[in-house]
Amino acid sequence: QKEVEQNSGPLSVPEGAIASLNCTYSDRGSQSFFWYRQYSGKSPELIMFIYSNGDKEDGRFTAQLNKASQYVSLLIRDSQPSDSATYLCAVIKDTGNQFYFGTGTSLTVIP
Amino acid sequence: GAGVSQSPSNKVTEKGKDVELRCDPISGHTALYWYRQSLGQGLEFLIYFQGNSAPDKSGLPSDRFSAERTGGSVSTLTIQRTQQEDSAVYLCASSFVSGGVGGYTFGSGTRLTVV
Repeated sequence: QKEVEQNSGPLSVPEGAIASLNCTYSDRGSQSFFWYRQYSGKSPELIMFIYSNGDKEDGRFTAQLNKASQYVSLLIRDSQPSDSATYLCAVIKDTGNQFYFGTGTSLTVIP
Repeated sequence: GAGVSQSPSNKVTEKGKDVELRCDPISGHTALYWYRQSLGQGLEFLIYFQGNSAPDKSGLPSDRFSAERTGGSVSTLTIQRTQQEDSAVYLCASSFVSGGVGGYTFGSGTRLTVV
């Protein structure tokens, strides 16, 4: 079983819509959760991190964490073509120091 | 430096040759991580440094892979007797504290092609 699972997509949404990206993780003891964005040919860049159950908002981005169900999601409101990228979910377990990454979800925002 | 710097940005090598990849983390970042990303794949953890020591080498795929870090700063990942399956983008990341609190900052990567 993979540590982190993501739907590879591709996910397509029209410009201005809400994009919803989902991620599940296997270790119930996981403590920290991250979303990275990776443009084609570029390295990942951190968008948001969340540690507590509930929602965390930053601009057009909202991260949602549900530890009981072991999922974390990222909502992108008012999606823009510049949001088109692969979004990587990452998790840190309570005992470790490394990130476990999902394989990423490819998002295309259609103008 | 302002960001995580990796060199070279691209490396083409013949099968069987040794290669060295360099990572210069953000100044003051004590934790340094190496990952690799193959085409269409997720990020695969290789090794983690805290200062100059490597508490977690669990991700190194074989004994052909080794890494060191000196002076709590620059790290070198060495791949001996390269194989075609070693072709990937090798990413280095650093963070101020271990555990990745607040997330890593990634370098731009070294694209390794073994022919």
